[in-house]
Amino acid sequence: GAVVSQHPSRVICKSGTSVKIECRSLDFQATTMFWYRQFPKKSLMLMATSNEGSKATYEQGVEKDKFLINHASLTLSTLTVTSAHPEDSSFYICSAFHPRGLDEAFFGQGTRLTVV
Amino acid sequence: AQSVTQLDSQVPVFEEAPVELRCNYSSSVSVYLFWYVQYPNQGLQLLLKYLSGSTLVKGINGFEAEFNKSQTSFHLRKPSVHISDTAEYFCAVTDSGTYKYIFGTGTRLKVLA
Repeated sequence: GAVVSQHPSRVICKSGTSVKIECRSLDFQATTMFWYRQFPKKSLMLMATSNEGSKATYEQGVEKDKFLINHASLTLSTLTVTSAHPEDSSFYICSAFHPRGLDEAFFGQGTRLTVV
Repeated sequence: AQSVTQLDSQVPVFEEAPVELRCNYSSSVSVYLFWYVQYPNQGLQLLLKYLSGSTLVKGINGFEAEFNKSQTSFHLRKPSVHISDTAEYFCAVTDSGTYKYIFGTGTRLKVLA
């Protein structure tokens, strides 16, 4: 199957700093990628849709200035958590669809962010 | 809007026993249905998917699910579980032809020795 890779898998940062998470499609080109946030014992909530070469589309209630998304190439999308606070601590997961169709999303391995 | 309900937040089961994880979705004209498994601090791995055709879908690791349109359900089953099946299981739905996945709240399967 297609491979989506996230980096880093874990990151600890100080409150007030910014953290960048990368999502790469390793063996296919993805014009669209998706960022999810997973709270403890909760489901995955779609944060935004990352579109190559254009602005991301954010879901209702997601602060676009706090969660900056850049999709500069067909294989890379980045999520930057700006001025991080402890309440931003969470598990972030990206996904992408293979160009062959919308019948299956491929997920990265996730990034555990801890803000101290 | 689509929604997915996983009624059981936790399911404990003894090793080699059968298990069923329940999933119900809100009705729609045409949907794709998925079951994903998540191991601790990892991403999601696809177990199986229903797109069309046969209502009984077989997936990896001995799992299968049955699509029941009249009951809007897509329950996951395994006839004999292993300790290694201990994980979080998510049901997801998307309107066919769209990209937006709606996930259930997950069911933690704990297999006991």
